[in-house]
Amino acid sequence: QKEVEQNSGPLSVPEGAIASLNCTYSDRGSQSFFWYRQYSGKSPELIMSIYSNGDKEDGRFTAQLNKASQYVSLLIRDSQPSDSATYLCAVNPSFKTIFGAGTRLFVKA
Amino acid sequence: NAGVMQNPRHLVRRRGQEARLRCSPMKGHSHVYWYRQLPEEGLKFMVYLQKENIIDESGMPKERFSAEFPKEGPSILRIQQVVRGDSAAYFCASSQDRLGSGANVLTFGAGSRLTVL
Repeated sequence: QKEVEQNSGPLSVPEGAIASLNCTYSDRGSQSFFWYRQYSGKSPELIMSIYSNGDKEDGRFTAQLNKASQYVSLLIRDSQPSDSATYLCAVNPSFKTIFGAGTRLFVKA
Repeated sequence: NAGVMQNPRHLVRRRGQEARLRCSPMKGHSHVYWYRQLPEEGLKFMVYLQKENIIDESGMPKERFSAEFPKEGPSILRIQQVVRGDSAAYFCASSQDRLGSGANVLTFGAGSRLTVL
């Protein structure tokens, strides 16, 4: 079992729709959870961090964490073509941050 | 306030040569991480360092790869006797602290893209 699993996609949504990205992780001791966005040929950049169960909202982005289910999700409201990128789920179970393989998102204008 | 600085951005080496990749963390950051990314794949953890200490190198191949973060100067990822399979993007990231608000948040450099001919 991979430490962090994501659906590789691609996920295609129309402009203005809600994009839903999901992630599961294997280490129950994990305390820190992140979503990074990576445009093609660029480096990852932090979108959201979440440390406790529940929802965390920041603008059009909402991160959801359920530690009992070992599940993290990211919702993007009012999706824009500029949101088209690969979204990396990341978990920090110990000294290192482990990344999922990423989900490709395409937002169609 | 400069971000994480990596150089070179692009490096071409022939098989058997050595590659040295450098990373200067963000000001105030004392934790450095190296990741490797193959085309169309995710980030693979290689090594985590603090000044003069390797904390976790569980993701780094046992042979040909080494990393350091000296008291003075940048962190260096060294790959000896490169092979074609080493061709990848190598990203360095730094973080400020492991505790409290913003714990373990990584800031990435632009990456160094190694091509082995």
